[in-house]
Parts: sequence; C-alpha cells; structure tokens
Amino acid sequence: AQSVTQPDIHITVSEGASLELRCNYSYGATPYLFWYVQSPGQGLQLLLKYFSGDTLVQGIKGFEAEFKRSQSSFNLRKPSVHWSDAAEYFCAVGAGDYKLSFGAGTTVTVRA
Amino acid sequence: DAGVTQSPTHLIKTRGQHVTLRCSPISGHKSVSWYQQVLGQGPQFIFQYYEKEERGRGNFPDRFSARQFPNYSSELNVNALLLGDSALYLCASSLRRGQETQYFGPGTRLLVL
Repeated sequence: AQSVTQPDIHITVSEGASLELRCNYSYGATPYLFWYVQSPGQGLQLLLKYFSGDTLVQGIKGFEAEFKRSQSSFNLRKPSVHWSDAAEYFCAVGAGDYKLSFGAGTTVTVRA
Repeated sequence: DAGVTQSPTHLIKTRGQHVTLRCSPISGHKSVSWYQQVLGQGPQFIFQYYEKEERGRGNFPDRFSARQFPNYSSELNVNALLLGDSALYLCASSLRRGQETQYFGPGTRLLVL
C-alpha cells in the first residue's frame, strides 16, 4: 500500500523568502503525486500534479514541485512567499487505483 | 462552472444519531469520492463511487455507507454516531474512476456531542 510522509509539521517563513515543503512517498511503481492547499475551515485546492513526463511541475500561485524517483520525493517550492500563502499543505499519492493517500500536512505561517 | 458542492456546511449531532451528507460533483464528472479529515490529520479515504456503483472502500466500519444517484450526486450516511466521527467530511469528484485528478468540495463539518 502507498503512503506519504511530510516530515515538517510546521514551518514559519518571512514574507518574500523562499519556501520548500518536503514530501516522501512509499510505492513500488510510478506514483501519481499531488499537492493540495487548505485554508482554515476550507476544502482542498489542487496546486499541482505529477503523472508522468517532465519531473519539474509548475502549478498555480507560483508553486512548483520536483519529482525525484531516486529519493522517493516530491518537494514543493515557491521562490517568494506572500502572506496569503499561510495555510496547510498536503501531499498525496495515488497508485493507479481509486484513492488518494495523504500525508499529515505541513502548516505554513508567514511572518511580516 | 460550479465546483463541487456539499451540504450542509455544518452539523451538530448527538451520539447514536444518524447523519446524511450530500455532494454534487462538477458537471460532467461521473466519479465521487468521500474522505474523512479529523482535526490535525490528513484526509482518509472512505468510499469511491463511479457510475452509481461502489468502486472502492477504505478502512471504515459498516456504520458508514454511501450511494450515488443517476445524476452522479452522492450521499454519505453514518449510523450510530460516535464522538470519534467528529470531523470534516470532504467530497471529491473526478471525470472517471481510476487515477484521475480529484477536485474537492468545501466539506461538511460534523460535530458529535
């Protein structure tokens, strides 16, 4: 069965600084990988996804992620964080069947 | 186009009661999945329905059931509510079954007292 680990529970970053959120997955074959963002009291919004092809994926809101098979990782990055990026971020893996398996999430706090 | 919609937005029930949550998928999407998100955790898969049939089930007790209607909307039912059922229930829709991009609704927050 597939699983996801997000090692960082909470990250604090200054506005304008860069951000990197870590995601490690466990799955025997090529996974489908997703990053979602959740603002307080809200549902999940898709930031980006990786199915195949170019391992550097561009998403919405200036986010990008890189799939590294050798490290079983799919880290999310943003060059310059805005205050509105404060939220909880979830990495998820799909294994070709019907469900997504999510990590526990990383809460991002942006300080002025 | 409207996204995934869910109703109600909030719900308070007492232990032992029954609850029905509703979901309308994005127009044209035929698959609906349900997830439970307990506070401080990531969402956990409950069910997927495609073309009105259950296509997958997560590790949840039989108190949880669901169905999908001819218009592809879906209901999640939970019987004999427990305090531990308090959570945000998320519905996601996708075009087809299998590994498609899932688009999530705003969720229904259920509090069991």
